[in-house]
Amino acid sequence: GAGVSQSPSNKVTEKGKDVELRCDPISGHTALYWYRQSLGQGLEFLIYFQGNSAPDKSGLPSDRFSAERTGGSVSTLTIQRTQQEDSAVYLCASSLEGGGNQPQHFGDGTRLSIL
Amino acid sequence: DQQVKQNSPSLSVQEGRISILNCDYTNSMFDYFLWYKKYPAEGPTFLISISSIKDKNEDGRFTVFLNKSAKHLSLHIVPSQPGDSAVYFCAASANFNKFYFGSGTKLNVKP
Repeated sequence: GAGVSQSPSNKVTEKGKDVELRCDPISGHTALYWYRQSLGQGLEFLIYFQGNSAPDKSGLPSDRFSAERTGGSVSTLTIQRTQQEDSAVYLCASSLEGGGNQPQHFGDGTRLSIL
Repeated sequence: DQQVKQNSPSLSVQEGRISILNCDYTNSMFDYFLWYKKYPAEGPTFLISISSIKDKNEDGRFTVFLNKSAKHLSLHIVPSQPGDSAVYFCAASANFNKFYFGSGTKLNVKP
Protein backbone atom coordinates (compact mmCIF):
# COMPACT_ATOMS: atom_id res chain seq x y z
CA GLY A 1 0.00 0.00 0.00
CA ALA A 2 0.95 3.64 -0.29
CA GLY A 3 0.36 4.56 3.34
CA VAL A 4 2.55 4.57 6.45
CA SER A 5 3.16 1.02 7.60
CA GLN A 6 3.95 0.05 11.17
CA SER A 7 4.95 -3.30 12.57
CA PRO A 8 4.13 -5.19 14.61
CA SER A 9 0.51 -4.13 15.03
CA ASN A 10 0.48 -5.61 18.53
CA LYS A 11 3.31 -6.49 20.90
CA VAL A 12 3.03 -8.09 24.31
CA THR A 13 6.22 -8.47 26.31
CA GLU A 14 7.43 -8.89 29.84
CA LYS A 15 8.68 -6.05 31.96
CA GLY A 16 12.42 -5.57 31.55
CA LYS A 17 12.62 -6.79 27.97
CA ASP A 18 13.71 -4.62 25.04
CA VAL A 19 11.33 -3.95 22.15
CA GLU A 20 11.76 -2.58 18.65
CA LEU A 21 8.96 -0.92 16.74
CA ARG A 22 9.24 -0.31 13.02
CA CYS A 23 7.85 2.40 10.77
CA ASP A 24 7.89 2.51 6.97
CA PRO A 25 6.93 6.04 5.90
CA ILE A 26 5.32 7.02 2.63
CA SER A 27 7.90 6.96 -0.13
CA GLY A 28 9.39 10.39 -0.73
CA HIS A 29 8.33 11.81 2.63
CA THR A 30 11.29 13.47 4.27
CA ALA A 31 9.74 14.11 7.67
CA LEU A 32 8.97 11.32 10.14
CA TYR A 33 7.42 11.57 13.60
CA TRP A 34 6.86 9.19 16.49
CA TYR A 35 4.05 9.71 18.99
CA ARG A 36 2.71 7.78 21.94
CA GLN A 37 -0.91 7.58 23.01
CA SER A 38 -1.58 6.26 26.47
CA LEU A 39 -5.07 5.18 27.45
CA GLY A 40 -7.42 8.18 27.56
CA GLN A 41 -4.68 10.61 26.63
CA GLY A 42 -3.81 12.63 23.57
CA LEU A 43 -0.88 12.02 21.30
CA GLU A 44 2.44 12.68 23.02
CA PHE A 45 5.27 13.80 20.75
CA LEU A 46 8.39 11.64 21.04
CA ILE A 47 10.83 12.37 18.22
CA TYR A 48 11.00 14.03 14.81
CA PHE A 49 13.31 13.32 11.86
CA GLN A 50 13.70 15.72 8.95
CA GLY A 51 15.94 14.71 6.08
CA ASN A 52 19.58 14.55 7.11
CA SER A 53 19.19 17.00 9.98
CA ALA A 54 19.79 15.98 13.57
CA PRO A 55 16.54 14.62 14.99
CA ASP A 56 14.48 16.52 17.55
CA LYS A 57 14.53 14.10 20.49
CA SER A 58 13.01 16.47 22.99
CA GLY A 59 9.91 14.34 23.53
CA LEU A 60 11.64 11.09 24.47
CA PRO A 61 10.55 10.39 28.08
CA SER A 62 13.76 8.71 29.27
CA ASP A 63 17.10 7.41 28.07
CA ARG A 64 15.53 3.99 27.70
CA PHE A 65 13.93 5.31 24.52
CA SER A 66 15.87 5.77 21.30
CA ALA A 67 15.07 5.96 17.61
CA GLU A 68 16.94 5.91 14.38
CA ARG A 69 16.09 6.44 10.78
CA THR A 70 18.23 4.62 8.27
CA GLY A 71 18.78 5.98 4.78
CA GLY A 72 16.18 8.64 5.32
CA SER A 73 13.40 6.07 5.12
CA VAL A 74 12.58 3.30 7.61
CA SER A 75 12.63 4.21 11.29
CA THR A 76 12.96 2.04 14.38
CA LEU A 77 11.88 3.08 17.87
CA THR A 78 13.63 1.05 20.57
CA ILE A 79 12.56 0.83 24.19
CA GLN A 80 15.05 -0.80 26.52
CA ARG A 81 14.21 -2.42 29.86
CA THR A 82 10.49 -1.86 29.33
CA GLN A 83 8.30 -0.77 32.22
CA GLN A 84 4.55 -1.14 32.65
CA GLU A 85 4.05 2.59 32.12
CA ASP A 86 5.45 2.14 28.59
CA SER A 87 2.21 0.38 27.64
CA ALA A 88 0.56 2.53 24.98
CA VAL A 89 -0.15 2.80 21.29
CA TYR A 90 2.93 4.03 19.44
CA LEU A 91 2.08 5.96 16.28
CA CYS A 92 4.35 6.91 13.44
CA ALA A 93 3.57 9.65 10.93
CA SER A 94 5.30 11.06 7.88
CA SER A 95 4.88 14.19 5.83
CA LEU A 96 6.25 15.40 2.54
CA GLU A 97 8.36 17.97 4.31
CA GLY A 98 8.66 19.10 7.87
CA GLY A 99 6.48 22.01 8.69
CA GLY A 100 3.32 22.93 10.46
CA ASN A 101 1.50 23.35 7.16
CA GLN A 102 2.21 19.82 6.05
CA PRO A 103 -0.46 17.35 7.16
CA GLN A 104 0.97 14.23 8.71
CA HIS A 105 -0.04 10.81 7.45
CA PHE A 106 -0.30 8.32 10.29
CA GLY A 107 0.18 4.59 10.43
CA ASP A 108 -2.26 2.44 12.37
CA GLY A 109 0.10 2.19 15.31
CA THR A 110 1.69 -0.52 17.40
CA ARG A 111 -0.20 -1.43 20.55
CA LEU A 112 2.44 -2.25 23.15
CA SER A 113 1.47 -4.09 26.32
CA ILE A 114 4.01 -4.63 29.08
CA LEU A 115 3.09 -7.41 31.52
CA ASP B 1 1.71 20.70 31.14
CA GLN B 2 -0.95 20.35 28.45
CA GLN B 3 -0.65 23.14 25.94
CA VAL B 4 -3.63 21.97 23.90
CA LYS B 5 -6.82 20.99 25.68
CA GLN B 6 -10.05 19.41 24.59
CA ASN B 7 -12.24 19.65 27.65
CA SER B 8 -15.15 17.61 26.32
CA PRO B 9 -14.26 13.93 26.17
CA SER B 10 -17.46 13.10 24.32
CA LEU B 11 -20.26 14.68 22.30
CA SER B 12 -23.50 13.21 21.01
CA VAL B 13 -25.58 14.84 18.25
CA GLN B 14 -28.47 13.87 16.03
CA GLU B 15 -27.87 13.15 12.36
CA GLY B 16 -28.36 16.28 10.26
CA ARG B 17 -27.62 18.68 13.13
CA ILE B 18 -24.45 20.65 13.72
CA SER B 19 -21.53 19.19 15.66
CA ILE B 20 -19.24 21.67 17.38
CA LEU B 21 -15.95 20.43 18.78
CA ASN B 22 -13.86 22.79 20.87
CA CYS B 23 -10.18 23.15 21.57
CA ASP B 24 -8.24 25.57 23.78
CA TYR B 25 -4.54 26.29 23.80
CA THR B 26 -2.18 28.15 26.08
CA ASN B 27 0.85 28.93 23.91
CA SER B 28 0.45 32.23 22.04
CA MET B 29 3.32 31.21 19.75
CA PHE B 30 1.23 28.52 18.06
CA ASP B 31 0.69 29.56 14.47
CA TYR B 32 -0.80 26.52 12.80
CA PHE B 33 -3.69 24.38 13.90
CA LEU B 34 -5.01 21.08 12.57
CA TRP B 35 -7.88 18.72 13.20
CA TYR B 36 -7.54 14.97 12.85
CA LYS B 37 -10.18 12.26 12.87
CA LYS B 38 -9.51 8.81 14.28
CA TYR B 39 -11.45 5.58 13.96
CA PRO B 40 -10.78 2.68 16.36
CA ALA B 41 -7.65 0.67 15.59
CA GLU B 42 -6.59 3.14 12.88
CA GLY B 43 -4.18 6.02 12.87
CA PRO B 44 -5.51 9.60 12.82
CA THR B 45 -6.32 11.08 9.43
CA PHE B 46 -5.93 14.74 8.59
CA LEU B 47 -9.20 16.63 8.29
CA ILE B 48 -8.66 20.38 8.06
CA SER B 49 -6.16 23.03 9.12
CA ILE B 50 -5.94 26.75 9.70
CA SER B 51 -3.11 29.23 9.84
CA SER B 52 -3.01 31.90 12.52
CA ILE B 53 -3.35 34.60 9.87
CA LYS B 54 -6.91 33.42 9.23
CA ASP B 55 -9.94 33.11 11.45
CA LYS B 56 -11.94 30.67 9.35
CA ASN B 57 -11.31 27.85 6.92
CA GLU B 58 -13.96 25.77 5.19
CA ASP B 59 -13.83 22.43 3.44
CA GLY B 60 -17.18 21.02 2.49
CA ARG B 61 -19.14 20.16 5.62
CA PHE B 62 -16.20 21.05 7.85
CA THR B 63 -15.33 24.54 9.05
CA VAL B 64 -12.63 25.48 11.52
CA PHE B 65 -12.82 28.77 13.42
CA LEU B 66 -9.87 30.36 15.19
CA ASN B 67 -10.18 32.99 17.91
CA LYS B 68 -6.61 34.04 18.69
CA SER B 69 -7.51 36.46 21.45
CA ALA B 70 -9.34 33.70 23.30
CA LYS B 71 -6.80 31.04 22.27
CA HIS B 72 -9.68 28.91 21.12
CA LEU B 73 -10.53 26.99 18.00
CA SER B 74 -13.55 25.00 17.05
CA LEU B 75 -14.55 22.52 14.37
CA HIS B 76 -18.07 22.68 12.99
CA ILE B 77 -19.54 19.77 11.07
CA VAL B 78 -22.75 20.56 9.21
CA PRO B 79 -24.77 18.48 8.59
CA SER B 80 -23.48 15.71 10.84
CA GLN B 81 -23.60 12.17 9.47
CA PRO B 82 -23.32 8.80 11.26
CA GLY B 83 -20.02 8.20 9.43
CA ASP B 84 -18.60 11.22 11.25
CA SER B 85 -18.68 9.24 14.50
CA ALA B 86 -15.03 9.07 15.55
CA VAL B 87 -12.53 10.64 17.93
CA TYR B 88 -11.44 14.12 16.87
CA PHE B 89 -8.06 15.54 17.89
CA CYS B 90 -6.93 19.11 17.55
CA ALA B 91 -3.23 19.84 17.19
CA ALA B 92 -1.07 22.94 17.20
CA SER B 93 2.40 23.81 16.01
CA ALA B 94 4.75 26.66 16.91
CA ASN B 95 8.02 25.96 15.20
CA PHE B 96 7.01 23.72 12.34
CA ASN B 97 8.55 20.57 13.66
CA LYS B 98 6.71 19.73 16.88
CA PHE B 99 3.01 19.24 17.20
CA TYR B 100 0.98 19.29 20.39
CA PHE B 101 -2.22 17.27 20.44
CA GLY B 102 -5.29 17.49 22.62
CA SER B 103 -6.72 14.43 24.35
CA GLY B 104 -9.53 14.05 21.82
CA THR B 105 -13.32 14.31 21.74
CA LYS B 106 -15.37 11.26 20.88
CA LEU B 107 -18.23 12.26 18.60
CA ASN B 108 -21.29 10.07 18.28
CA VAL B 109 -23.76 10.97 15.56
CA LYS B 110 -27.06 9.24 16.13
CA PRO B 111 -29.16 8.20 13.12
